[in-house]
Amino acid sequence: GQNIDQPTEMTATEGAIVQINCTYQTSGFNGLFWYQQHAGEAPTFLSYNVLDGLEEKGRFSSFLSRSKGYSYLLLKELQMKDSASYLCAQEDSNYQLIWGAGTKLIIKP
Amino acid sequence: GAVVSQHPSRVICKSGTSVKIECRSLDFQATTMFWYRQFPKQSLMLMATSNEGSKATYEQGVEKDKFLINHASLTLSTLTVTSAHPEDSSFYICSARDQREPYEQYFGPGTRLTVT
Repeated sequence: GQNIDQPTEMTATEGAIVQINCTYQTSGFNGLFWYQQHAGEAPTFLSYNVLDGLEEKGRFSSFLSRSKGYSYLLLKELQMKDSASYLCAQEDSNYQLIWGAGTKLIIKP
Repeated sequence: GAVVSQHPSRVICKSGTSVKIECRSLDFQATTMFWYRQFPKQSLMLMATSNEGSKATYEQGVEKDKFLINHASLTLSTLTVTSAHPEDSSFYICSARDQREPYEQYFGPGTRLTVT
């Protein structure tokens, strides 16, 4: 089956930068999503990468390397409200999402 | 951006009763909708893929007779939890895929089901 791997938990300091990595199996790849999920809420869309390279959206950037089956989400100028789980999801050829377990990001003052 | 609504947002029901959850795409048409379940501190688990006008495709381990899915129109899919039990208590989230390119998926806000 498909495996999506991302760290379980990360801790960072307010104002700093953090990079959350995600690896996936390259077969049947159609795209790579990053979602943010606060406790008790549905995921909210952050980014969608189809081509290799870095895509920047304000404080958040997402990178993809299709040959390596690797992506990362980069968060800059961290704010306390960025404390959440960050979910990496691979879209397969049937447009279904294969989810990672999520990375819980803890921001400390 | 596109909006997906779910109703109800929270529901408490007694064991043995049935509960219907609606998922609507408000400003786009979705030929495909997905139903997920999420237990506390766990990732989303896909339950089934719902295609407009045809039977839903259920993931392994999901009972189709217990979780009835109807996708009667391009903007509405419903999930009915039949004969609910306390172990069905969970956060149920739907997502809808826009039928236009680039076929983005949008999530509903989720429904918190508590079975007593």
